[in-house]
Amino acid sequence: GAGVSQSPSNKVTEKGKDVELRCDPISGHTALYWYRQSLGQGLEFLIYFQGNSAPDKSGLPSDRFSAERTGGSVSTLTIQRTQQEDSAVYLCASSAYRGSEQPQHFGDGTRLSIL
Amino acid sequence: QQQVKQSPQSLIVQKGGISIINCAYENTAFDYFPWYQQFPGKGPALLIAIRPDVSEKKEGRFTISFNKSAKQFSLHIMDSQPGDSATYFCAAMYTGANNLFFGTGTRLTVIP
Repeated sequence: GAGVSQSPSNKVTEKGKDVELRCDPISGHTALYWYRQSLGQGLEFLIYFQGNSAPDKSGLPSDRFSAERTGGSVSTLTIQRTQQEDSAVYLCASSAYRGSEQPQHFGDGTRLSIL
Repeated sequence: QQQVKQSPQSLIVQKGGISIINCAYENTAFDYFPWYQQFPGKGPALLIAIRPDVSEKKEGRFTISFNKSAKQFSLHIMDSQPGDSATYFCAAMYTGANNLFFGTGTRLTVIP
């Protein structure tokens, strides 16, 4: 497919475990974003990657959250020592390049449930 | 704090009616205002977007109205259909920003 692909689609884990979420952006898109969608809270920005530049991590809620993007393509979001408040849908988006005129294309997300 | 405020939280409209969703913002640096449509289990998809140099943009049954002085913008869905039932998010972005700022969403239900 030509869209943004995220895996797994659902993840259930116990509190305190680490989880890793994966995002495959649209081929050729240099900008990649992670957002978190909690019930009734809209989408909350987490982190942004642009090419080989240093990522903008300003939205990460705590140091338990980290992300990397290898080879300018696939990205993984890691949450260490998960807490119940981490339960949410984690969405990845990509755009051709940075800029407000570039539409962000979203994947279908990973629904994370912390027991 | 919420940079883009959206209302109503939920909306029920009869088939054929007009659905109206409103958003307001404070940051006058915002220069791009998109609307996203999200179906259950799917990611948001861009529906329509506007820049502040125009007051209205229409694409098919979907229209954005923009009021720069009031710092408000709205989505109008004409001739609403059951297939339009989804959650709608307004958003805003400014030049130089790395992310969109989203409203909290409106769940629209169109009754046949």
